[in-house]
Amino acid sequence: NAGVMQNPRHLVRRRGQEARLRCSPMKGHSHVYWYRQLPEEGLKFMVYLQKENIIDESGMPKERFSAEFPKEGPSILRIQQVVRGDSAAYFCASSGTSGDEQFFGPGTRLTVL
Amino acid sequence: GQQVMQIPQYQHVQEGEDFTTYCNSSTTLSNIQWYKQRPGGHPVFLIQLVKSGEVKKQKRLTFQFGEAKKNSSLHITATQTTDVGTYFCAGEVAGSNYKLTFGKGTLLTVNP
Repeated sequence: NAGVMQNPRHLVRRRGQEARLRCSPMKGHSHVYWYRQLPEEGLKFMVYLQKENIIDESGMPKERFSAEFPKEGPSILRIQQVVRGDSAAYFCASSGTSGDEQFFGPGTRLTVL
Repeated sequence: GQQVMQIPQYQHVQEGEDFTTYCNSSTTLSNIQWYKQRPGGHPVFLIQLVKSGEVKKQKRLTFQFGEAKKNSSLHITATQTTDVGTYFCAGEVAGSNYKLTFGKGTLLTVNP
């Protein structure tokens, strides 16, 4: 029973490029959450999605960031025109029902040069 | 907006000593969850507390949820080197679309 999968595990981008982070939830889970973690910081909520729907995107910057969770395939967090301040670890979590415990993926460490 | 404060930020103990981390929310919570993250790893769910005054135990770990549902604590008895990591509390406010607000965590290091 595979856990939450994220890829890539490490991503290096130059300023102005696009970053695409992928998350496959645990089998049977339809709720996906994205978090950002800066060094020695807690996890900051970004967005909560269910299949084909964004439920809450209150933690996501209004510009350059977008997220989707299509009917088929993984959830995607997309960062356009990356800047150095976007460098962080991005974690995806999934749950079977809303409010249930969240299972985290291994994260994608994004470095912007 | 909702804030979750966690103290201390760091705690270093000798193996065998006890450890406690405290979590305080600016608003009443519907539930609180605790996670552990090893260095370089990802958060792993430990427990969820829902009821006012609830106390739950997992071996050497004791979790409490305050009567007002605004604070919580995690206590580890007789720490071991395997307890090393950052412990996060995460609170959920009713009506918040099940959004978790994480504290900044307490990094525990254990000297063997």
